[in-house]
Amino acid sequence: DGGITQSPKYLFRKEGQNVTLSCEQNLNHDAMYWYRQDPGQGLRLIYYSQIVNDFQKGDIAEGYSVSREKKESFPLTVTSAQKNPTAFYLCASSMRWQGGYTFGSGTRLTVV
Amino acid sequence: QQPVQSPQAVILREGEDAVINCSSSKALYSVHWYRQKHGEAPVFLMILLKGGEQKGHEKISASFNEKKQQSSLYLTASQLSYSGTYFCGTEEAKAAGNKLTFGGGTRVLVKP
Repeated sequence: DGGITQSPKYLFRKEGQNVTLSCEQNLNHDAMYWYRQDPGQGLRLIYYSQIVNDFQKGDIAEGYSVSREKKESFPLTVTSAQKNPTAFYLCASSMRWQGGYTFGSGTRLTVV
Repeated sequence: QQPVQSPQAVILREGEDAVINCSSSKALYSVHWYRQKHGEAPVFLMILLKGGEQKGHEKISASFNEKKQQSSLYLTASQLSYSGTYFCGTEEAKAAGNKLTFGGGTRVLVKP
């Protein structure tokens, strides 16, 4: 079955450490996205990529970095520059120009 | 700027109807609707393109008024399974390539 996989489901890190969240899809989707969700709030766009080797900043890109070396993979690194990294991170994919998003099950990151 | 959803929350008895609104200050190309259960990933419900079309998913339907940049989601004869948080996602321009900005969400609780 096609889908989008995020790992790990829960992640704990010490303040000041970089951490990388994994996102893999086998839907043959061109576009991939990273959103951040804080308790009781909507989804805010961090980064998105429409094709391999190309990506753009979203509304809250500061303190984050991404890469898109393969169509199937879009990892997100939360750097020590991100002031408040504790949140629920959602990865999604879609066809490049149309269609609904398929979301992964999310990674809940807690920084202590 | 994110779209504004109203109401923020609604409580229904099974079988009752509800309307959720999504308004944007910008010209829109499309509007998506998603439902998220607690602790889970959002699930795509439907997409509406400019042109005022109306779509349906089970007994959930939606409309898009492009002149007012507003979309409404209609929950008809609500079922217990309709409980969750509903998000609208707006696409401002086709050139942006299916990049969505999400509203703050509307919490729906359907009681027996």
